[in-house]
Amino acid sequence: KQEVTQIPAALSVPEGENLVLNCSFTDSAIYNLQWFRQDPGKGLTSLLLIQSSQREQTSGRLNASLDKSSGRSTLYIAASQPGDSATYLCAVSWYGGATNKLIFGTGTLLAVQP
Amino acid sequence: NAGVTQTPKFQVLKTGQSMTLQCAQDMNHEYMSWYRQDPGMGLRLIHYSVGAGITDQGEVPNGYNVSRSTTEDFPLRLLSAAPSQTSVYFCASTLQGGGTEAFFGQGTRLTVV
Repeated sequence: KQEVTQIPAALSVPEGENLVLNCSFTDSAIYNLQWFRQDPGKGLTSLLLIQSSQREQTSGRLNASLDKSSGRSTLYIAASQPGDSATYLCAVSWYGGATNKLIFGTGTLLAVQP
Repeated sequence: NAGVTQTPKFQVLKTGQSMTLQCAQDMNHEYMSWYRQDPGMGLRLIHYSVGAGITDQGEVPNGYNVSRSTTEDFPLRLLSAAPSQTSVYFCASTLQGGGTEAFFGQGTRLTVV
């Protein structure tokens, strides 16, 4: 069964720290992997999308990497700020099915303390 | 540019009632999908569509119907609401399946009593 796992479920860090969020997936035949941010009571906002042929993507203070062979992706947040506090979700689509079929992890709740 | 618009934002139903959750996008995206989000279980795919007139089941389709008569709209129908359908529902769209980022609506919080 294709599954996505995110560890840890929650993380609290002081402002200014660099941090890494982890996402692991079964079955390396992925089409792409997306990282989303969700604020309380809100919808999901796409942060970064990594195609299967790519190793990483960067946007501002965010860097996402992809290692298909080990079934892992990491989201690196540099110089964290209180405004980064949110739930971060990882989602994967695989070859062999409709590519808008996303399987989500359960997310990491991040709190950045001022 | 409104993106993905879901209505209503909140709804309370009695067990056995039916209703339709609306989803509309103005980005001319071919692909649309419905997810439900429950505590501790993440988002799970209910139904999806790869174009007007084409729909298919996701992971948790029981109790829900969809249709896609236009590119813009993808309504989700609850046939006979049950307490187990209490959840937050999200609609999403993408320009091409998997090749571009997914855009999500703000969600509909549904409570079935």
